[in-house]
Amino acid sequence: DTGVSQDPRHKITKRGQNVTFRCDPISEHNRLYWYRQTLGQGPEFLTYFQNEAQLEKSRLLSDRFSAERPKGSFSTLEIQRTEQGDSAMYLCASSLGLALREYFGPGTRLTVT
Amino acid sequence: ELKVEQNPLFLSMQEGKNYTIYCNYSTTSDRLYWYRQDPGKSLESLFVLLSNGAVKQEGRLMASLDTKARLSTLHITAAVHDLSATYFCAVDTDNNNDMRFGAGTRLTVKP
Repeated sequence: DTGVSQDPRHKITKRGQNVTFRCDPISEHNRLYWYRQTLGQGPEFLTYFQNEAQLEKSRLLSDRFSAERPKGSFSTLEIQRTEQGDSAMYLCASSLGLALREYFGPGTRLTVT
Repeated sequence: ELKVEQNPLFLSMQEGKNYTIYCNYSTTSDRLYWYRQDPGKSLESLFVLLSNGAVKQEGRLMASLDTKARLSTLHITAAVHDLSATYFCAVDTDNNNDMRFGAGTRLTVKP
């Protein structure tokens, strides 16, 4: 399968714990995006990378969130000291470049209890 | 602040009918995106519109962009049940530091 993959698909954690999600983009795609979506709402942009460089980070993203894309391949999104409000679906997407079609992974559903 | 408004939020239509979903946004932008999301699934990119007057069509869906009016439309022609889904529009800011989605239009096509 050559699509975008995300791991894990589901994560249940207790408030205050740290969690890390992984996204593997389509191999030749140099842009990688992270979004968050809560139930019944539209997605929210979190951050994106051009190769290994993190180009922008949404103002929605607190200091508890950090993302990396070492070597311009897979990416990780870490949430420290999770809060119940962090419960959401975290979506990753990749594309060949700016304003080109994005391909989405299946998402990681986070539940913070 | 960039705002993106879609209407209607809910749309129930009969198979074979035509309808249009509207997406208004509040700031200058030359990039508008349409996505589809099936219940419990991830997003699927449908269209990327990059300039004023851009029109793209795929199957029974056609999207257009009027940057002067800050308006995009998604037109559905002769709807079929398989088009039932939630459709989102999204807009990039010109300096790329934000991307905002509309609230989505939940479309149900009835036989």
